[in-house]
Amino acid sequence: GAVVSQHPSWVICKSGTSVKIECRSLDFQATTMFWYRQFPKQSLMLMATSNEGSKATYEQGVEKDKFLINHASLTLSTLTVTSAHPEDSSFYICSARGLAGGLAETQYFGPGTRLLVL
Amino acid sequence: QKEVEQNSGPLSVPEGAIASLNCTYSDRGSQSFFWYRQYSGKSPELIMFIYSNGDKEDGRFTAQLNKASQYVSLLIRDSQPSDSATYLCAVKGSWGNEKLTFGTGTRLTIIP
Repeated sequence: GAVVSQHPSWVICKSGTSVKIECRSLDFQATTMFWYRQFPKQSLMLMATSNEGSKATYEQGVEKDKFLINHASLTLSTLTVTSAHPEDSSFYICSARGLAGGLAETQYFGPGTRLLVL
Repeated sequence: QKEVEQNSGPLSVPEGAIASLNCTYSDRGSQSFFWYRQYSGKSPELIMFIYSNGDKEDGRFTAQLNKASQYVSLLIRDSQPSDSATYLCAVKGSWGNEKLTFGTGTRLTIIP
């Protein structure tokens, strides 16, 4: 149980294009999803928190107009990197927190999406 | 002062021995504490979480929490080469704060 998927797992794009990353909770409903970014040899940095049906809450220093987050259902959240630039190249990881019990206590991570902007 | 601190390592432990990983945190109001394992190039996977003082055991893993001293540790018994990874300590803050704050991780190498 508590499986989270992400798609795509790898994406290479040209500078200036937009990239959409999907995060799905496959076997549970997620009230809250989180988006992280991880640069090489660094820890996870939270970018934003999204709750189903409401606007995402962004961490300080994260541009909300550049990183668009939509949490349209209890099983799907998307992150769109708009007008991507080489400095946006990173490992993007989502996590999901369930509705109740142990699932509500813990964040379960997706496998991550590697973005390379040329 | 970092909110969650871990020794970055690398920590080398012989196969079959006990690996001990430590983590300290600054927010006394923190409620829940998590250990994740991250293999190179992969996303974190949950090992276990703890929220009460004392020990919590799950198979070869034991988490220990001491809120008075603000530290949490993870013991891995009978270490296996497959345990070689980076171990991330994460702390969830006060009630109502859903965010996890991660340490920088400890790189563990199990030597066959």
